[in-house]
Amino acid sequence: DAKTTQPNSMESNEEEPVHLPCNHSTISGTDYIHWYRQLPSQGPEYVIHGLTSNVNNRMASLAIAEDRKSSTLILHRATLRDAAVYYCILRRRDTDKLIFGTGTRLQVFP
Amino acid sequence: DTGVSQDPRHKITKRGQNVTFRCDPISEHNRLYWYRQTLGQGPEFLTYFQNEAQLEKSRLLSDRFSAERPKGSFSTLEIQRTEQGDSAMYLCASSLGDRINYGYTFGSGTRLTVV
Repeated sequence: DAKTTQPNSMESNEEEPVHLPCNHSTISGTDYIHWYRQLPSQGPEYVIHGLTSNVNNRMASLAIAEDRKSSTLILHRATLRDAAVYYCILRRRDTDKLIFGTGTRLQVFP
Repeated sequence: DTGVSQDPRHKITKRGQNVTFRCDPISEHNRLYWYRQTLGQGPEFLTYFQNEAQLEKSRLLSDRFSAERPKGSFSTLEIQRTEQGDSAMYLCASSLGDRINYGYTFGSGTRLTVV
């Protein structure tokens, strides 16, 4: 399974933008890039996904490098409720399972 | 729809006992997944169903573990002869078929403690 690499932790101040990086140099042409986040004592929550083009939704934006070997999840204005572990995952078309890494723990300070 | 429900939220059991967890997915979702998560780690895939058919099982799912989804709706995960190493959060998720463009919806999990 293709692997992703993320920083263990990041910090941000409230109302500032946050850029969470992810490297996935072994990505294949049919892998989708998915992001989930997990708040304390809860199950993971879907955030966003993409294949080649940048994507926006109400929660975040996903910027995908042209060679697809890296991506960045962008939270435009961090809030205290965004403090969570963020997982970058490659989802293969031929198998319906998500392979989680250890993710990035985001701390948001008031 | 109230999302994915898991029951119980917490379970404490003695080593050697059997335990069963239940998951009720979102009603129109035909795929259901089980994951296990230990402290400080990301969730690990255990198995998944499409309707009542179990399509894939991880090698993590030893013969003490069994999962069923008898009518293609709710699912149960049973652990027989529990061991201390089984202590973890057990997460259930559901999704719409094989549409890779949809994310999973996870439940809040069942936390198992084996003493």
